[in-house]
This record gives sequence, C-alpha cells and structure tokens, in this order.
Amino acid sequence: AQTVTQSQPEMSVQEAETVTLSCTYDTSESDYYLFWYKQPPSRQMILVIRQEAYKQQNATENRFSVNFQKAAKSFSLKISDSQLGDAAMYFCAYRRASLGQLTFGSGTQLTVLP
Amino acid sequence: DAGVIQSPRHEVTEMGQEVTLRCKPISGHDYLFWYRQTMMRGLELLIYFNNNVPIDDSGMPEDRFSAKMPNASFSTLKIQPSEPRDSAVYFCASSFRTVNTEAFFGQGTRLTVV
Repeated sequence: AQTVTQSQPEMSVQEAETVTLSCTYDTSESDYYLFWYKQPPSRQMILVIRQEAYKQQNATENRFSVNFQKAAKSFSLKISDSQLGDAAMYFCAYRRASLGQLTFGSGTQLTVLP
Repeated sequence: DAGVIQSPRHEVTEMGQEVTLRCKPISGHDYLFWYRQTMMRGLELLIYFNNNVPIDDSGMPEDRFSAKMPNASFSTLKIQPSEPRDSAVYFCASSFRTVNTEAFFGQGTRLTVV
C-alpha cells in the first residue's frame, strides 16, 4: 500500500521569508502523480501544485515550487515570500496513475508570523 | 460551475439516528470520492466511484456506513445508526477521467453525534 509521510506537524515562517515543507512517500509504482493541497480555517481543500512523476522538471506556480526527488521519493513544497494568507494546513497527496484515489499525508500546520 | 456542493454544512444528531450526507459533483466529472477527516486519523478515503460504479469501498469503516451514486450528479453517504465516534468532517470530491488532474473538494459536512 502507498503511504505518504509528512514529518513536520507544525512549521512557522516570518512574513516575506521562505519556508519548505517536507513530504516523503512510499510506492513501488513508476507512474504516479503528486499534489500539495492547502486547507485554510474555512476547511476548503485547495490545490496548490501538482507534479507528474514522469517529468523531471520541478513544478512551479507563482510563489510555490516543489523539489521532486524521484529516487529518494521526496516531494517538498517551497513557499517564497510568505504571506499571511498562506497560513493553513498543507497536505501532500499521492495518486497512482492506474487508480483514482488520492492518499494523503497527515498534514503540516503552517503559521505565518507578521 | 459552482464546484462540488455538499449538504448540509453542519449536522448535529443524536446517537442511534440515521444521518444522510449529500454531494453534487462538478458536471462532467466521472470520479467521485468520499473522505473523512479527523484529528486522530487525518484524511481517510471511505469509498470512490467511477462512472457511478463503486470501485473501492475498503475504507468504509463498518456496515453502518453505506454510499450510493444513483446518477452522475448525485451521491449520498449514509450512517445508520450513528455513533459518537463518527463525529468528523466528511468531504466529497470529484475529478475528471485523467488521473493527473486534481480532485476538487466540496466544503465538507461537519458531523457531530451526541
């Protein structure tokens, strides 16, 4: 079974600074997809960024970027120029190419300090 | 599109009562997922459908839980009888057929069983 591990239950960052959230996963598959979701206090799950395992290039979405290390099964999220609105729970998720469901990590609660 | 719509947003019920949660996926999406979120267990997949057919219900905790998808635009998750340990936030999500697209989540139903 696939597992997703987020080893940092809580993180904090100063506004305008950069923070990196860690995620590792365990799979024997070669074709899969990885996602970072954000859950603010409103509890709405919002996609932040996605990465296809077959792509070597790391995905980037504005201030959000990932460091995807396929051999190490690592998928970290970097948030640059942190803003107060980035404060939320962040979930890493894995989706096997041949199956539909997402497997989530336990989440990292990010606090942004003014 | 209005996104994934769940109802009710909040539900408080007494132990032993039947509870029905409802979900309307995004039009055109052919995957539908039911997740449960608790502090202790995080986000757990309960069941998912593809083209209205249940594909994997191994996450359904007990026979007290059942889910249906009578058509492409509606799904229900029923708990009968409900117990206090069922208290959680229940999310419905949908996605389009290509698995590299993300799942879009509803705003969740917060269920409290007293």
